[in-house]
Amino acid sequence: GQNIDQPTEMTATEGAIVQINCTYQTSGFNGLFWYQQHAGEAPTFLSYNVLDGLEEKGRFSSFLSRSKGYSYLLLKELQMKDSASYLCAVMDSNYQLIWGAGTKLIIKP
Amino acid sequence: SQTIHQWPATLVQPVGSPLSLECTVEGTSNPNLYWYRQAAGRGLQLLFYSVGIGQISSEVPQNLSASRPQDRQFILSSKKLLLSDSGFYLCAWGVAGEDTGELFFGEGSRLTVL
Repeated sequence: GQNIDQPTEMTATEGAIVQINCTYQTSGFNGLFWYQQHAGEAPTFLSYNVLDGLEEKGRFSSFLSRSKGYSYLLLKELQMKDSASYLCAVMDSNYQLIWGAGTKLIIKP
Repeated sequence: SQTIHQWPATLVQPVGSPLSLECTVEGTSNPNLYWYRQAAGRGLQLLFYSVGIGQISSEVPQNLSASRPQDRQFILSSKKLLLSDSGFYLCAWGVAGEDTGELFFGEGSRLTVL
């Protein structure tokens, strides 16, 4: 079966750095996505990785290792508004997105 | 610019009642359209997707149905709701033929079945 694993919840301090991990087992791979979802709202796109390595976009970076079935989302200089759930999703061989359950990130002052 | 809108935002329905959620997209043509359900503590579950008018693919057998009467309109329906249908329903669109997979989501509809 297809599976996306990410921690249920993480806590970090304002101004710090946090890394959210995601491991996956899917039938084929056509890219990995990270979305941000604030409580009660729709997810919004953060990043897309299809090749190994690090993609940096401002305070957010996303890393992919296809051989390890592993990705992480790195958030720097945390702000209170970063409190949200972060969803990892993998596009399989049929170009369908398989979603993780999301990691709820709590930022404390 | 492209926009997506779904409604209603919140609804409370009794078991056995019908359901209709609507979604419209503006500013793009021939989008791929999706209906997802998000249950607490679980990943987004793809319910239906459509690549064109009248073309609906169902991912999960259930008492829900979807229709695409117009290019930019996607409707999720049920004749008789079950308690297990409660959840947060999200409509989304993506660019047809583009395999980067970026989806743009509507605001969501929270359904509570009592």
